[in-house]
Amino acid sequence: NAGVTQTPKFQVLKTGQSMTLQCAQDMNHEYMSWYRQDPGMGLRLIHYSVGAGITDQGEVPNGYNVSRSTTEDFPLRLLSAAPSQTSVYFCASSRPRSGGGETQYFGPGTRLLVL
Amino acid sequence: TQLLEQSPQFLSIQEGENLTVYCNSSSVFSSLQWYRQEPGEGPVLLVTVVTGGEVKKLKRLTFQFGDARKDSSLHITAAQPGDTGLYLCAGVETSGSRLTFGEGTQLTVNP
Repeated sequence: NAGVTQTPKFQVLKTGQSMTLQCAQDMNHEYMSWYRQDPGMGLRLIHYSVGAGITDQGEVPNGYNVSRSTTEDFPLRLLSAAPSQTSVYFCASSRPRSGGGETQYFGPGTRLLVL
Repeated sequence: TQLLEQSPQFLSIQEGENLTVYCNSSSVFSSLQWYRQEPGEGPVLLVTVVTGGEVKKLKRLTFQFGDARKDSSLHITAAQPGDTGLYLCAGVETSGSRLTFGEGTQLTVNP
């Protein structure tokens, strides 16, 4: 199994440009999430999905859109990039467990710089 | 959103020393996880603690969940350079399965 894969690994955008960060998992996990990681702020949840066709907002959703048409894929879209979106983005997947606390499997991350 | 505070934010020690990292909150979590992240990679789960007062050991790492399930600690005995990395605690909210992450502790173990 490849686990969780993310593309691209690095990206430079100009303010106002749009792009899609790709995330795929081959573990048949129902849950998928997108986080951003900034220095001194840990990981913050952007959007998450509990299954195909179901998405919900996390802690910092503004400026980002997601969709979940298949179990495997969970793309994150930036419609109009802003310098404040410069960050490292991580996708994660997990299998639900009664009472929570399931193991989240993270991808290697996408490093995004918005000029 | 429930908040988690980690301390210290940075820790630089010599090989062989012991250290403790703390993760504190005013909120109750249903469980708490510790992750380790190396440069250029995503976090990897080390342990999940579920019961208040629970202690789990993973070789030289000891994890404890507070009795009230609001705080946790990670103790490393005889640290080695291979322990270098970013340690993150994450609380599972009582209202569901969403994770709230602490800010992280960057540990450097010098040979």
